[in-house]
Amino acid sequence: DGGITQSPKYLFRKEGQNVTLSCEQNLNHDAMYWYRQDPGQGLRLIYYSQIVNDFQKGDIAEGYSVSREKKESFPLTVTSAQKNPTAFYLCASSEGTGGYYGYTFGSGTRLTVV
Amino acid sequence: GENVEQHPSTLSVQEGDSAVIKCTYSDSASNYFPWYKQELGKGPQLIIDIRSNVGEKKDQRIAVTLNKTAKHFSLHITETQPEDSAVYFCAASLDFGNEKLTFGTGTRLTIIP
Repeated sequence: DGGITQSPKYLFRKEGQNVTLSCEQNLNHDAMYWYRQDPGQGLRLIYYSQIVNDFQKGDIAEGYSVSREKKESFPLTVTSAQKNPTAFYLCASSEGTGGYYGYTFGSGTRLTVV
Repeated sequence: GENVEQHPSTLSVQEGDSAVIKCTYSDSASNYFPWYKQELGKGPQLIIDIRSNVGEKKDQRIAVTLNKTAKHFSLHITETQPEDSAVYFCAASLDFGNEKLTFGTGTRLTIIP
């Protein structure tokens, strides 16, 4: 079955460490997105990529980095520069390069700073 | 850019009653309007969507209505069941270029048995 897979489901980070969240899709979708969700909050866009080897900052990119070396993969690194990284992170993909095609979301990664 | 407002932020209804969630958008050029359901600890899932050439769309107990003149669209859930309890997000997008989905802030729906 086609889908979008995020791993791990739970992740713990020590202060000052970088961590990388994985997002893989086998839907042959062009665009991929990373969102952050805080308790009781909506979805805030971190980064997005509409084509391999290219990506753009979203609304809250500071303290995060991404790469898009393969169409199927869009990993997100939460760096030590992100002062409040504890949150639920969602990856999504879309068939075209715009929202008009709708998004398919992964099941999320819950990151906790310890 | 596009701005989407969603109301109410929380909604409690008795099991079997109907629930309505409303969204307004700012960009009159938007013409794709999906609704997502997010259960606790999971990613959002598309439950229904509508494009601007249609005024209403139904799928069993769920319906979405669109009023382009007033720039608002609504999700209607009839005969609510406990499994309908979740957070619901509306979104809007233009259909050209590389415009992204713009999401509302979500509605937490609780069905009271």
